[in-house]
Amino acid sequence: GAVVSQHPSWVICKSGTSVKIECRSLDFQATTMFWYRQFPKQSLMLMATSNEGSKATYEQGVEKDKFLINHASLTLSTLTVTSAHPEDSSFYICSAPDPLKGYGYTFGSGTRLTVV
Amino acid sequence: QKEVEQNSGPLSVPEGAIASLNCTYSDRGSQSFFWYRQYSGKSPELIMFIYSNGDKEDGRFTAQLNKASQYVSLLIRDSQPSDSATYLCAVRGSSASKIIFGSGTRLSIRP
Repeated sequence: GAVVSQHPSWVICKSGTSVKIECRSLDFQATTMFWYRQFPKQSLMLMATSNEGSKATYEQGVEKDKFLINHASLTLSTLTVTSAHPEDSSFYICSAPDPLKGYGYTFGSGTRLTVV
Repeated sequence: QKEVEQNSGPLSVPEGAIASLNCTYSDRGSQSFFWYRQYSGKSPELIMFIYSNGDKEDGRFTAQLNKASQYVSLLIRDSQPSDSATYLCAVRGSSASKIIFGSGTRLSIRP
C-alpha cells in the first residue's frame, strides 16, 4: 500500500511561535490530503482537506488563519500552526486516499505537538 | 444520530478467543467500509476494507457487511495480546468524498 511520511514525529515549541508539519506521499501522487487532530483518548477530528493547487477546505470551528495549510505539489502538504498556545498541544495526523486499498486513507505517523 | 456508531468499550476478550467488533452507519447509500487499528500513541492503520455484502477474510481478520441492516463488523480469530488496540470503523458515504470515522472501540485481549 501507499506510504505517507510525516515529519517531525514530535515537537516542543514555546507559546507564540509557529510550527510547520510536513506530510509527503512517497510512492503515489496525492491530489488530496486530510489533516486530523486527536486529543488523548478522544476520536479523530478532521481539521481540513488539503487540495493540490487550490485552497484548503476547513471544517467548521477550525481557524483557517491559525492552521495554515499548503499543498503546493502532488506529493507534499504542510500544516503550519501559527502563534501556538498550550491548548494547541495535540497529536496531528495527515492522511491521503490509497488507491491500492479502496481509496481508504493511509495515515502518516503523526506529530505530537507540545506547546509550553 | 451519529453517522458512524461504535460501542466505545472496552471490550475484553481472552487470548485465543474470537473478538467481535460492531459498527452501524446512517447513510444507506454508503459505498465502502474500512476498519482501522490504532495503538495507543500511534496513528491509525488500515487493516481491512469491504465493498460488497458478505464476508471478506484476510488472515485472522474477517470483515462482514450487511447493507440492508447498515451494519459492518470485524472478527478477529485467535486473538493475541498484540491485538489490544482501538479499532475504528470508517465509512465512505453516498457522496463518495470523505470517509467518516467512528469514535472507536477499545479492545483488550487478556492472557
